[in-house]
Amino acid sequence: GAGVSQTPSNKVTEKGKYVELRCDPISGHTALYWYRQSLGQGPEFLIYFQGTGAADDSGLPNDRFFAVRPEGSVSTLKIQRTERGDSAVYLCASSSIAGVGGEQFFGPGTRLTVL
Amino acid sequence: QKEVEQDPGPLSVPEGAIVSLNCTYSNSAFQYFMWYRQYSRKGPELLMYTYSSGNKEDGRFTAQVDKSSKYISLFIRDSQPSDSATYLCAMSGSGNTPLVFGKGTRLSVIA
Repeated sequence: GAGVSQTPSNKVTEKGKYVELRCDPISGHTALYWYRQSLGQGPEFLIYFQGTGAADDSGLPNDRFFAVRPEGSVSTLKIQRTERGDSAVYLCASSSIAGVGGEQFFGPGTRLTVL
Repeated sequence: QKEVEQDPGPLSVPEGAIVSLNCTYSNSAFQYFMWYRQYSRKGPELLMYTYSSGNKEDGRFTAQVDKSSKYISLFIRDSQPSDSATYLCAMSGSGNTPLVFGKGTRLSVIA
């Protein structure tokens, strides 16, 4: 596809469960970002990958959150022992290192609800 | 004080009006300034991208950056009902670095 895709589009889980959210970036984009957007707020940065490595994970709220990008393309955001406060839309964006200034293009997001 | 301040609105205007949206920021290291449009239950869509100070025009949209005042604006001319969305400003210190977003301004254009 032409754009960033994210699956699932919606995820409902129970408190304490483990969830995985997937992001498929634009083909050829080496930079990949995860953001979290709560209701009525702008997206907040979680983690940034350049290639396979996490270049900046300073936005992850605690050690329950982890993300991987093993082959430098698809990324998975993993949340352990989910809490009700984790409910939000999780957005993924990608950017081309060759792009001017690194314009970031967003996917549609995964809406996570923790009951 | 948050790094990026944006009035959340809501802002309601009649069709055909000129809309002015703006953000202020505190971090003088920001060099790249963006405006995103976000429809309900969709991801943000990049509208305008500006480097450093100056103006940029694209169709009905004009983005302005005033680094001396730490103030950015987005103008929408001849607004249409299809422009009804939340508009997010975003900025970063250098290319390929995480964006810092405002809260977003909710705009309604009434036919």
